[in-house]
Amino acid sequence: KAGVTQTPRYLIKTRGQQVTLSCSPISGHRSVSWYQQTPGQGLQFLFEYFSETQRNKGNFPGRFSGRQFSNSRSEMNVSTLELGDSALYLCASWSGSWGTGELFFGEGSRLTVL
Amino acid sequence: AQTVTQSQPEMSVQEAETVTLSCTYDTSENNYYLFWYKQPPSRQMILVIRQEAYKQQNATENRFSVNFQKAAKSFSLKISDSQLGDTAMYFCAFYMEYGNKLVFGAGTILRVKS
Repeated sequence: KAGVTQTPRYLIKTRGQQVTLSCSPISGHRSVSWYQQTPGQGLQFLFEYFSETQRNKGNFPGRFSGRQFSNSRSEMNVSTLELGDSALYLCASWSGSWGTGELFFGEGSRLTVL
Repeated sequence: AQTVTQSQPEMSVQEAETVTLSCTYDTSENNYYLFWYKQPPSRQMILVIRQEAYKQQNATENRFSVNFQKAAKSFSLKISDSQLGDTAMYFCAFYMEYGNKLVFGAGTILRVKS
């Protein structure tokens, strides 16, 4: 069974640009959630999608957005990049059924904003 | 709001010895999961072990076991026969059924010495 796939693995942008990150969950998993990891703030929840609907959103500005497609693949977008957006962005895949308890992460996308 | 506290920023252990990482959490919910994740320098977040809150029996996965004390809201991870490959950052995380997100602790850096 293939794992969670995130692309791109690394990217460098400049302030003011925008970026789109992609996450393909484990086959059969319907929930995708996104997390930002920084040395100062640790791991913070961005948002979660299930069957193309955003069910929960973390405390991030509106520059951070996401969506999920019918095949469960998800994208997140950050517009008007700031230096503080430099981070590792992790995507997690969940079966969506309470009781199975399988929640797995991708390798992450390392974003550097110059 | 749910919070997760890992009070040990760093720990060291000799190869083949046993080490215990601490985690406490705060919630008023009754139905949730607790996880330990390992993040080696390669940065892939790897699921080590999970515990369903309704199960009294402590979870075990090979050399990894937990001590789950629901009333005390404590969830410690014991690693037996430590190996060099166990060197990593370990995160304790809480997942609530209707929150659809993981709440992470700050992490514990574990160094296994030869």
